[in-house]
Amino acid sequence: QSALTQPASVSEYLGQSITISCTGTSSDVGKYDLVSWYQQLPGKAPKLIIYDVTKRPSGVSNRFSGSKSGITASLTVSGLQAEDEADYHCCSYAGTNAYVIFGGGTRLTVL
Amino acid sequence: QVQLQESGPRLVKPSQTLSLTCTVSGDSISTGDYYWSWLRQKPGKGLEWIGYIYHSGSTHYNSSLKSRVSISVDTSKNQFSLKLTSVTAADTAVYYCARVPSGDDAFEIWGLGTLVTVSS
Repeated sequence: QSALTQPASVSEYLGQSITISCTGTSSDVGKYDLVSWYQQLPGKAPKLIIYDVTKRPSGVSNRFSGSKSGITASLTVSGLQAEDEADYHCCSYAGTNAYVIFGGGTRLTVL
Repeated sequence: QVQLQESGPRLVKPSQTLSLTCTVSGDSISTGDYYWSWLRQKPGKGLEWIGYIYHSGSTHYNSSLKSRVSISVDTSKNQFSLKLTSVTAADTAVYYCARVPSGDDAFEIWGLGTLVTVSS
């Protein structure tokens, strides 16, 4: 099972919004509403910020939102703040053959 | 507050077995509807799922590692463990343990991670 495809890096200005894409296949992202996103600050463990495509865990800012269309899931960060600068990883359930696959991660730079 | 903590040797020789333990506090492994998982992140790379175990002992593994991986649970110690055999330098990574609610397949709580280096 191949990894999900994410852009290696994205950048946007403070206060603006940005969307990070995560492209899979009809066997994973396109088949299951079990996409999750993780924020990883430098030198830290990943933190769950979106699960089941659109849900936010308690305590996660509502500036983070998730969506899905076909085989592509997206994470949108609105009102960018300096502390949003991090790596973002997408993940999808992929059925009982592969179970779990991740994207390669996207480095977000806030200008 | 649920916390997970990885422990084990930080340096492993090539061809040997990597062994790590994750100790869970603030929750009981044997109750609740969760899977307990291992993941890793090679230097400068993305995350890779290794496998998970249910408190009953049922396991699922990444097919690319399946021949070398074993995950077990010790409910009396509230711990679960990872063994990865025949390691090479390519297995050098930060290893994380995490909790996964059954049905959501999201890694909701993570340990801090531990860097394991494979080198002679």
